[in-house]
Amino acid sequence: EVQLVESGGGLVQPGRSLRLSCAASGFTFDDYAMHWVRQAPGKGLEWVSGISWNSGSIGYADSVKGRFTISRDNAKNSLYLQMNSLRAEDTALYYCAKGRDSGYADYAFDIWGQGTMVTVSS
Amino acid sequence: SYVLTQPPSVSVAPGQTARITCGGNNIGSKSVHWYQQKPGQAPVLVVYDDSDRPSGIPERFSGSNSGNTATLTISRVEAGDEADYYCQVWDSSSDHQRWVFGGGTKLTVL
Repeated sequence: EVQLVESGGGLVQPGRSLRLSCAASGFTFDDYAMHWVRQAPGKGLEWVSGISWNSGSIGYADSVKGRFTISRDNAKNSLYLQMNSLRAEDTALYYCAKGRDSGYADYAFDIWGQGTMVTVSS
Repeated sequence: SYVLTQPPSVSVAPGQTARITCGGNNIGSKSVHWYQQKPGQAPVLVVYDDSDRPSGIPERFSGSNSGNTATLTISRVEAGDEADYYCQVWDSSSDHQRWVFGGGTKLTVL
């Protein structure tokens, strides 16, 4: 069964850091691009970051550029999101999603995890 | 920056056809993807590359894209189709390339 399982969310104070993880199974992880997408409570979807199959291409939304870092470990079938200098507006459910191809551009996201909640509050 | 505009809500009776639009500047030149999200659940890809369906998605779901508007069409609507629907494109037109989602459309089955 193809599956993505996110972890690492929680309550964190503004300005602090958090690292999210996504464990993949049921497919050849290093053949595909991966993404993080977030959804603030009651709001729509927002793409956060994407990474190509070999980490050679990486992109970020303007809202997180310079604060968040995406990475992957193909040997461990895992995707990560290091989030620094967190702000209240980063509060959201963070989804891990698989791209349909090796590059992170153009190709739709065909598998999604159930998400991990990040709450930034003092 | 590239903007995708969706109507906030669409209502349709069971058995009828629902059409959800996604507007964007010359969107017909881009590949549009559509996602369904039911309450408390993760999004599910229902149409990719304008009009292709992933395996397991009913043929009732179809898509088109031309000019400044892409459309997701759901034929013979069922109660289980009630959900939020989001369109998505890859924006390579600006200096900062990125993925863009529409604001979402809530489909209500009357």
